[in-house]
Amino acid sequence: AQSVTQPDIHITVSEGASLELRCNYSYGATPYLFWYVQSPGQGLQLLLKYFSGDTLVQGIKGFEAEFKRSQSSFNLRKPSVHWSDAAEYFCAVAEPNFGNEKLTFGTGTRLTIIP
Amino acid sequence: EAQVTQNPRYLITVTGKKLTVTCSQNMNHEYMSWYRQDPGLGLRQIYYSMNVEVTDKGDVPEGYKVSRKEKRNFPLILESPSPNQTSLYFCASSRGSDRPQETQYFGPGTRLLVL
Repeated sequence: AQSVTQPDIHITVSEGASLELRCNYSYGATPYLFWYVQSPGQGLQLLLKYFSGDTLVQGIKGFEAEFKRSQSSFNLRKPSVHWSDAAEYFCAVAEPNFGNEKLTFGTGTRLTIIP
Repeated sequence: EAQVTQNPRYLITVTGKKLTVTCSQNMNHEYMSWYRQDPGLGLRQIYYSMNVEVTDKGDVPEGYKVSRKEKRNFPLILESPSPNQTSLYFCASSRGSDRPQETQYFGPGTRLLVL
């Protein structure tokens, strides 16, 4: 069964600094990969996803993620964070299964932005 | 506006008193799912439905029931709630059962406290 690890529970970054959130997965083949963001008191919003093809994926709000098969990673990046990026971020993986994929979430990384 | 709605948003109840959390989507989505979110555990899938009258267990189905009589509605039923079901619950939907994880839209969440 697939699993997802987000090793950083909490990250603090200065506004305008770059950001990288780590995500590692465990799965034998290439899974579907996702990053979601949850703002305080809100549901989850999809930032970006990877199914196949180009390993560098662009998402909304200026985020990007890179799939590295050799490292089983799908890290999320942003070159310059804004105060509004403060939220909790979830990496998720789904095992391709002919339309019956199950989504497994990581435990999340809380991002704090300081002025 | 395309959305997933949940009711109630907040609920306090007592052990053993049956309750239902409703979920409705207006996007004609085939796939719907329920998750619970607990600190340090991320989101875990409770049940999902590929289409009307088709439901299946997720990772943590014990103590929950669901039904899918209509495409737009996917209620979560707790027949006899217990304190360990105190959690934040999210309903989600996505376009098609052929790619259920393509883009999931999440409701705003229901915070449940079982005394």
